[in-house]
Amino acid sequence: DIQMTQSPSSLSASVGDRVTITCRASQSIRSYLNWYQQKPGTAPNLLIYATSNLQSGVPSRFSGSGSGTDFSLTISSLQPEDFATYYCQQSYSTPLTFGGGTKVEIK
Amino acid sequence: QVQLQESGPGLVKPSQTLSLTCAVSGGSVSSGGYSWSWIRQPPGKGLEWIGYFYYSGSTYYNPSLKSRVTISLDTSENQFSLKLSSVSAADTAVYYCARVYAVVPPGWLTGFDIFDIWGQGTVVTVSS
Repeated sequence: DIQMTQSPSSLSASVGDRVTITCRASQSIRSYLNWYQQKPGTAPNLLIYATSNLQSGVPSRFSGSGSGTDFSLTISSLQPEDFATYYCQQSYSTPLTFGGGTKVEIK
Repeated sequence: QVQLQESGPGLVKPSQTLSLTCAVSGGSVSSGGYSWSWIRQPPGKGLEWIGYFYYSGSTYYNPSLKSRVTISLDTSENQFSLKLSSVSAADTAVYYCARVYAVVPPGWLTGFDIFDIWGQGTVVTVSS
């Protein structure tokens, strides 16, 4: 199985801050990396697919980069509705696996 | 607009079989290019992929659950199902159904699986 490791596991930030979350795969997954946002009590929602492609309807303040084993999700200017937990997920091979999540909290 | 809705018992006794259904509305489970998946999330923890019914007709399961899992499609009812046998407290979780879409990103030649539509989730507790 491909292990996905996210860091940090949580962070505190203020509205307007630039936030970066990293995700590392235990082996190369090329660009087969997705990012999801989950708010409490709701299902995850796809933000970015194939490392850097914004899902329809997702604000442009979200961006993704990386390849191989190291990836990142950046929120250029944190908004109140962005406080949530973020998960990376690899689609390179089954079993499909998720990172442990990064909780973004209000400072 | 495709929507998914999970249903099934919220409480299952240990050693019994957990059975959930995901009803699909606004689209067909027979639509080409889509696969149908189950994912779970234990209380306060992360996401675990259970498996999917691939659009090719094959099923793929997480090896950690493979001996206990069956995912099937019911085209007449436009739904898909999950059965997980011999459950224990470790199977207590929110269970989500999701559509898997093979998107072709710009510049790619092949599809790339994404979970593009999710159900709201259903809580299943395993307890006597």
